[in-house]
Amino acid sequence: DGGITQSPKYLFRKEGQNVTLSCEQNLNHDAMYWYRQDPGQGLRLIYYSQIVNDFQKGDIAEGYSVSREKKESFPLTVTSAQKNPTAFYLCASSSGNRGNSPLHFGNGTRLTVT
Amino acid sequence: DAKTTQPPSMDCAEGRAANLPCNHSTISGNEYVYWYRQIHSQGPQYIIHGLKNNETNEMASLIITEDRKSSTLILPHATLRDTAVYYCIVRVASSSGNTPLVFGKGTRLSVIA
Repeated sequence: DGGITQSPKYLFRKEGQNVTLSCEQNLNHDAMYWYRQDPGQGLRLIYYSQIVNDFQKGDIAEGYSVSREKKESFPLTVTSAQKNPTAFYLCASSSGNRGNSPLHFGNGTRLTVT
Repeated sequence: DAKTTQPPSMDCAEGRAANLPCNHSTISGNEYVYWYRQIHSQGPQYIIHGLKNNETNEMASLIITEDRKSSTLILPHATLRDTAVYYCIVRVASSSGNTPLVFGKGTRLSVIA
């Protein structure tokens, strides 16, 4: 099936540890995105990438890092500098040949840091 | 900040049409209106989008007013599975590539048996 895969679905880490969330897509989409969602809130943009080897900060990039070495992969690292890392993290992708292509989302990774 | 205003919650009887309103009074000429929904603990699901004409697909219809300052998402025969948070989003169409979506808090639709 074509789609976006986020793994794992649930992730637990101790405070002070870096953790990397995986996002893979086989839709041949150029653009990929990372969002964060807190309980009862809408999604907030962390980082996005319109093309391989390039990415831009979103509204809440502090404490996060990304890489885009391959078209199909856009991993997100939550560093120890992120003060409130516990959240639901969502990855999305969209095709780059039109400026109005919808974003397609994965089913998220729920990160708990204690 | 989100450029849309939606009611925080709505109820709809099962089998009836659900009409979800959205105000976007500051929309620009090159901005599309998108609708997504999110069922608890899942990723948002794309429903429909449009620029100025009304749009219909297998999931829903999108009605955009002539002045483009508001729109309505219509689910013609709501089922219990349509219970979700619905997001109305305005997004610029850029020729240089895809731009992110900016989410507000959406409307929580409860379909009641």
